[in-house]
Amino acid sequence: DAGITQSPRHKVTETGTPVTLRCHQTENHRYMYWYRQDPGHGLRLIHYSYGVKDTDKGEVSDGYSVSRSKTEDFLLTLESATSSQTSVYFCAIRSPQGGRTEAFFGQGTRLTVV
Amino acid sequence: GQQVMQIPQYQHVQEGEDFTTYCNSSTTLSNIQWYKQRPGGHPVFLIQLVKSGEVKKQKRLTFQFGEAKKNSSLHITATQTTDVGTYFCAVRPEETSGSRLTFGEGTQLTVNP
Repeated sequence: DAGITQSPRHKVTETGTPVTLRCHQTENHRYMYWYRQDPGHGLRLIHYSYGVKDTDKGEVSDGYSVSRSKTEDFLLTLESATSSQTSVYFCAIRSPQGGRTEAFFGQGTRLTVV
Repeated sequence: GQQVMQIPQYQHVQEGEDFTTYCNSSTTLSNIQWYKQRPGGHPVFLIQLVKSGEVKKQKRLTFQFGEAKKNSSLHITATQTTDVGTYFCAVRPEETSGSRLTFGEGTQLTVNP
């Protein structure tokens, strides 16, 4: 498996509190992604990064912000958590080099907002 | 944004039956990837298709890319209980720089022994 770790793996937080999820990679891959997974919705893209300090919104970016100050770390922040943000969050990394540019996923973070 | 629809959403089969999932896009794709996610796990890459009309096989799995590069299918012959999981397609629109990666909603496969 690719060197990608997510932290924390599980978190329970209260509505209205800020939450930051961390994705760390040791592969030096250029692209990093945050997805959320909910029953019936598959994997939905929240934000992605195509380089240090280069990020863009995905399809469900409202209520989320991201930062990438160095290649290996991509942070996802929920400024004020809501119950609708209860989900499993996956980070993924991908390299544009080579003929096969698949995404490698972290183990996921299960976030519960109560 | 990129619209990709995957059908069916759920599929229940008896072990030994065949299974097919389809991925359809509203725009032309540069390529398409397929992933499998086991229950409780994370998505894992299966294959990438790039050429129009391309067909690739992995043991009992057959992957096809449409001639117009707008649709794809994954077919499993004689399913086994180890095939249980959710199968996703992932796409990058042809007109973009290539960094954005969007997934379909997935097809959840259950196999009754």
